[in-house]
Amino acid sequence: SYELTQPPSVSVSPGQTARITCSGDALPKQYAYWYQQKPGQAPVLVIYKDSERPSGIPERFSGSSSGTTVTLTISGVQAEDEADYYCQSADSSGPVFGGGTKLTVL
Amino acid sequence: QVTLKESGPVLVKPTETLTLTCTVSGFSLSNARMGVSWIRQPPGKALEWLAHIFSNDEKSYSTSLKSRLTISKDTSKSQVVLTMTNMDPVDTATYYCARIWSEVTGTTLSNWFDPWGQGTLVTVSS
Repeated sequence: SYELTQPPSVSVSPGQTARITCSGDALPKQYAYWYQQKPGQAPVLVIYKDSERPSGIPERFSGSSSGTTVTLTISGVQAEDEADYYCQSADSSGPVFGGGTKLTVL
Repeated sequence: QVTLKESGPVLVKPTETLTLTCTVSGFSLSNARMGVSWIRQPPGKALEWLAHIFSNDEKSYSTSLKSRLTISKDTSKSQVVLTMTNMDPVDTATYYCARIWSEVTGTTLSNWFDPWGQGTLVTVSS
């Protein structure tokens, strides 16, 4: 089955830039989406179609794509950005999620 | 404002059938580009897509769980129902429903989820 690979954890100090990657063979042909999930809460869409930002999502969240890797970048990280982040794409069988990355703000 | 809310039992016994209902508001289940999906998350683990249904009654299921899942909708009640048979303790998870968007770009079909319901924790135990 198709897999999306994310690093289990990323740590960054407040004000710095966090980059979370997601790798998958189909990513050159499929869009990627990113969700933020804070403890005890439902996921929230923060990036769609690789790099589009939904209304209400701060400008410090951005997305990019290069080959088989997509990247979620959070510029000027704030304490409130500490959360789990999941990438999502699809294969012929349906939607697929990555394993998630825990972002820790030191 | 678009909202989705899951309802169903908090505890089921092994081998029983789970029935979950998602009640939506703020959008119609007859909208062509939107549908409703079910996604689950075992405690401390990643998200797993289960199934979705669109306005034209098109349905899709996770390959690994297809034999156990059935999704249906009642447009007049704004509800989507998921049943999962033969429940096992490994099925213990928070079950979310979410609006699924569908778009075709060239020959590529894209689906994404926004927004999500609050989720409901289902525990499978005797």
